[in-house]
Amino acid sequence: GAGVSQSPRYKVAKRGQDVALRCDPISGHVSLFWYQQALGQGPEFLTYFQNEAQLDKSGLPSDRFFAERPEGSVSTLKIQRTQQEDSAVYLCASSLWYLAESTDTQYFGPGTRLTVL
Amino acid sequence: QKEVEQDPGPLSVPEGAIVSLNCTYSNSAFQYFMWYRQYSRKGPELLMYTYSSGNKEDGRFTAQVDKSSKYISLFIRDSQPSDSATYLCATSAGANSKLTFGKGITLSVRP
Repeated sequence: GAGVSQSPRYKVAKRGQDVALRCDPISGHVSLFWYQQALGQGPEFLTYFQNEAQLDKSGLPSDRFFAERPEGSVSTLKIQRTQQEDSAVYLCASSLWYLAESTDTQYFGPGTRLTVL
Repeated sequence: QKEVEQDPGPLSVPEGAIVSLNCTYSNSAFQYFMWYRQYSRKGPELLMYTYSSGNKEDGRFTAQVDKSSKYISLFIRDSQPSDSATYLCATSAGANSKLTFGKGITLSVRP
């Protein structure tokens, strides 16, 4: 079946512009995560949704970052007044969410590469 | 100090070599340990998943976790050029929790 999709794949923004990044998780997946991956680094957690509820936003670097998942499916990560340090790959991951103590694999999308000039 | 430290790279080996990749972590709450593989311009894909300490084998890949020393390893036997990628170790405190990643190591397998 279809995996996690993200759009756009590439985004170039001028400093100060607002951007919106979209994530389409695997159908039926309850959990949705956003990560930020700087060049040469591992992904770093930004925020987590369970259905439409944003349960953890501790990784969002500033109040310029905002995420939503209003209907519990598609999610949008919005960055206001972009800065050069926001340049990174933004990864979305979804998982089915089991209550049992078993593997709950996070499936990643290809990411959106954001470049802020 | 980051919660998950990964041996720096890059690493270049000849085809057929045994590859050892290692990470250490500092947070005792971590219970789940994963290795992800990431090809250029792609998202990470799960290779191995281990709960608590122990070994897990899947084909040419073996994952080891030693919680007493907070050490995570991935071994690749009979490495192939198609194994060339960035390998990321990751940990989490719960089954459906956020992942904490190492920096990643880029592996190149020479034909």
